[in-house]
Amino acid sequence: SYELTQPPSVSVSPGQTARITCSADALPKQYGSWYQQKSGQAPVMVIYKDSERPSGIPERFSGSSSGTTVTLTISGVQAEDEADYYCQSTDSRGTNVVFGGGTKLTVL
Amino acid sequence: EVQLVESGGGLVKPGGSLRLSCAASGFTFSNAWMNWVRQAPGKGLAWVARIKSKPSGGTTDYAAPVKGRFTISRDDSKNTVYLQMSSLKSEDTAVYYCATGGGINGVDIWGQGTTVTVSS
Repeated sequence: SYELTQPPSVSVSPGQTARITCSADALPKQYGSWYQQKSGQAPVMVIYKDSERPSGIPERFSGSSSGTTVTLTISGVQAEDEADYYCQSTDSRGTNVVFGGGTKLTVL
Repeated sequence: EVQLVESGGGLVKPGGSLRLSCAASGFTFSNAWMNWVRQAPGKGLAWVARIKSKPSGGTTDYAAPVKGRFTISRDDSKNTVYLQMSSLKSEDTAVYYCATGGGINGVDIWGQGTTVTVSS
């Protein structure tokens, strides 16, 4: 089965840059999306199609892709960015939607 | 305002059945692909099922753990998507989110979720 692997946790100080990676276990890699989930709330999409930002999402959120890895970058991290972040893609046939295991971002 | 509102969650015994509903508003529901995504207590997100729009074929796909037990359907006249769950197991206990998308543009709109607890 298709899997996406994320680091369990990332910690950064306010104002620093946070990078969260998501590695797919097979090619071809499909487009990736990223979601922010704060405690007790529903997820919110912050990046789609590897690097596109939905309206209303701050510019400090950006995405990139290289090989089988997509990366979420949060520049100038703020305390309000502390949350769980999930990557998501589909298998090569587009049949199954897959989420990564999630990364807890801690703002020190 | 774009909105998804789930309902139908509750406590059910193992082996029982439950039907979740998700009412959509604020967008053209008939053109939207719809999903159910769940989150077990303290765990990550797990996709459950997807139904494409009728213009896209209206086909359904399921995650392996629920295939054969869960059925996703839609009523475009009521702007509502359903998840019929049967042969429920304790591991189906989760918050169930309704969400749009599931294609190359990701899962873009999420409801607030409804809680399903499977316990004797």
